[in-house]
Amino acid sequence: EAGVTQFPSHSVIEKGQTVTLRCDPISGHDNLYWYRRVMGKEIKFLLHFVKESKQDESGMPNNRFLAERTGGTYSTLKVQPAELEDSGVYFCASSQDLGAGETQYFGPGTRLLVL
Amino acid sequence: AQSVTQPDIHITVSEGASLELRCNYSYGATPYLFWYVQSPGQGLQLLLKYFSGDTLVQGIKGFEAEFKRSQSSFNLRKPSVHWSDAAEYFCAACSNFGNEKLTFGTGTRLTIIP
Repeated sequence: EAGVTQFPSHSVIEKGQTVTLRCDPISGHDNLYWYRRVMGKEIKFLLHFVKESKQDESGMPNNRFLAERTGGTYSTLKVQPAELEDSGVYFCASSQDLGAGETQYFGPGTRLLVL
Repeated sequence: AQSVTQPDIHITVSEGASLELRCNYSYGATPYLFWYVQSPGQGLQLLLKYFSGDTLVQGIKGFEAEFKRSQSSFNLRKPSVHWSDAAEYFCAACSNFGNEKLTFGTGTRLTIIP
């Protein structure tokens, strides 16, 4: 069974540009999460989809970030326009069932560098 | 505010030596607790998790963790480390009443020396 995949693995862009990150969850997993790790700091929650609906987007930093999950399969996270402080590693995770403590399976992350 | 603290940023141990990675949490009620490991180029892999019951939890790869309510701690241990254990380790928690989002510590990078 394929795990969570993320694309691209690395992205280097200039301030003001747009970047779109993609996450493909494990097949059949209704729950999809985005997290971000800024260098040297903890991994922080961004948002949670249940199928195509946003269950919790309390961690989204500002309106430059737009997450979508059309059709309830893969998800994209767009940053427009990118700022220097957006640099970091963006992780995607998925889980099968809803509920506290349900195991979340993580992808390898996308390393974003904004210059 | 809910938080998870990993006091050690970087730990170096000799191969074959024992290991203990520290984790403390601050939550209103006892959360669910997790340890994840990230090897280079890989995603975070779940080592073990604690929900309730026996306070000593066994995980994969020979790891175990002990929950201590009085100390608000959930330390990860391994009796004898292998070179392949070199990685970054993350302690995480989530509330036990329906909020699935994980709160992570800052991670501990483990280096193994021969």
